[in-house]
Amino acid sequence: DSGVTQTPKHLITATGQRVTLRCSPRSGDLSVYWYQQSLDQGLQFLIQYYNGEERAKGNILERFSAQQFPDLHSELNLSSLELGDSALYFCASSLLGNRDYGYTFGSGTRLTVV
Amino acid sequence: GQQLNQSPQSMFIQEGEDVSMNCTSSSIFNTWLWYKQDPGEGPVLLIALYKAGELTSNGRLTAQFGITRKDSFLNISASIPSDVGIYFCAGPSSGTYKYIFGTGTRLKVLA
Repeated sequence: DSGVTQTPKHLITATGQRVTLRCSPRSGDLSVYWYQQSLDQGLQFLIQYYNGEERAKGNILERFSAQQFPDLHSELNLSSLELGDSALYFCASSLLGNRDYGYTFGSGTRLTVV
Repeated sequence: GQQLNQSPQSMFIQEGEDVSMNCTSSSIFNTWLWYKQDPGEGPVLLIALYKAGELTSNGRLTAQFGITRKDSFLNISASIPSDVGIYFCAGPSSGTYKYIFGTGTRLKVLA
């Protein structure tokens, strides 16, 4: 157990729908990162939050949004889902807002859009 | 933009063999990380490198920070079946607070 908790583990939904993925960072970590991994692909950075504020943005679609709450958990909202959004979505956390200590990843949420 | 290229993309090896893989960058990095991803799981940090020329081991794994600071290498000695997975290198994206990840090396070990 890495200490980063992601729920749900699996999600199957139809095109056009909206889903929310949840992440609880490791205790004490202030920064949360979201990554997308499509089938047999690498990890694509989506967005980072640090202590409730957006810190960095990557290749995140306008249909996607995220936030980090006062208790430091984060949610990634995916709307108007398309077949191509099917992927593994990973959350990672780190102690500080900078990158020097590496990340701890959760086990991911596997999203299947049908 | 910055890119990390890993080679080989995939490899099949016999149990007991040594494995070498590398990661190259289009720009200089001050930190290199190596992660392993087991099927259906999140990546797990294996080794972190912070200084050019640094050589760091973690059990049967040894990683090196290239002296040009544009590359890094990971070696696995005496591979075993549980070494199967995807190995990613990662480096800090300049001017941001995030890491970029390489394309991954998929390792399959034949018993």
